[in-house]
Amino acid sequence: GAGVSQSPRYKVTKRGQDVALRCDPISGHVSLYWYRQALGQGPEFLTYFNYEAQQDKSGLPNDRFSAERPEGSISTLTIQRTEQRDSAMYRCASSLGTGGVYEQYFGPGTRLTVT
Amino acid sequence: AQSVTQLGSHVSVSEGALVLLRCNYSSSVPPYLFWYVQYPNQGLQLLLKYTSAATLVKGINGFEAEFKKSETSFHLTKPSAHMSDAAEYFCAVSERYGNKLVFGAGTILRVKS
Repeated sequence: GAGVSQSPRYKVTKRGQDVALRCDPISGHVSLYWYRQALGQGPEFLTYFNYEAQQDKSGLPNDRFSAERPEGSISTLTIQRTEQRDSAMYRCASSLGTGGVYEQYFGPGTRLTVT
Repeated sequence: AQSVTQLGSHVSVSEGALVLLRCNYSSSVPPYLFWYVQYPNQGLQLLLKYTSAATLVKGINGFEAEFKKSETSFHLTKPSAHMSDAAEYFCAVSERYGNKLVFGAGTILRVKS
């Protein structure tokens, strides 16, 4: 079946604009994660959903960042009033269940550039 | 808090030589440990994982890793490198009942012909 998909794959936006990044998880996966990866670094956890409930948003850097998963499937990560420091690769992952034993399957990522 | 240290941001080996990518972790509870590989323009792909069964874990593409609790290490090895192994490799840790992965900074593996 299809893997995790993300759109857009590339996004260039001007400072101050809002952006919405979309993640379509593997069908049937109940858990969905967002990570941010700066150049030369590993992915860093942002937030996590179990079905439609946002269980952990401890990694969101500030209140300009928000995420939702209203029907327990597709998720949107929104960044308001973008800043240059928001430029990074944003990765989404999904898993069959909750807990470390379940493999997280990653999408190809969205490369965000804020000019 | 959990953390992961990958020694060497770049590793270069000759084709056919041993691959050794180092990973040390810090965790206050027994962890789960993972190695992921990232090819250009692709998502992260799981190579192998340790979830408290056998300490020597075999993964895809001939890779394996050994969990050494006394050394807090989970180094990745492959006996004979292939050109197709050139990629970036990430070590990650999670709590058993946690959900987020904590990643190291990654190691770029270059394979010379």
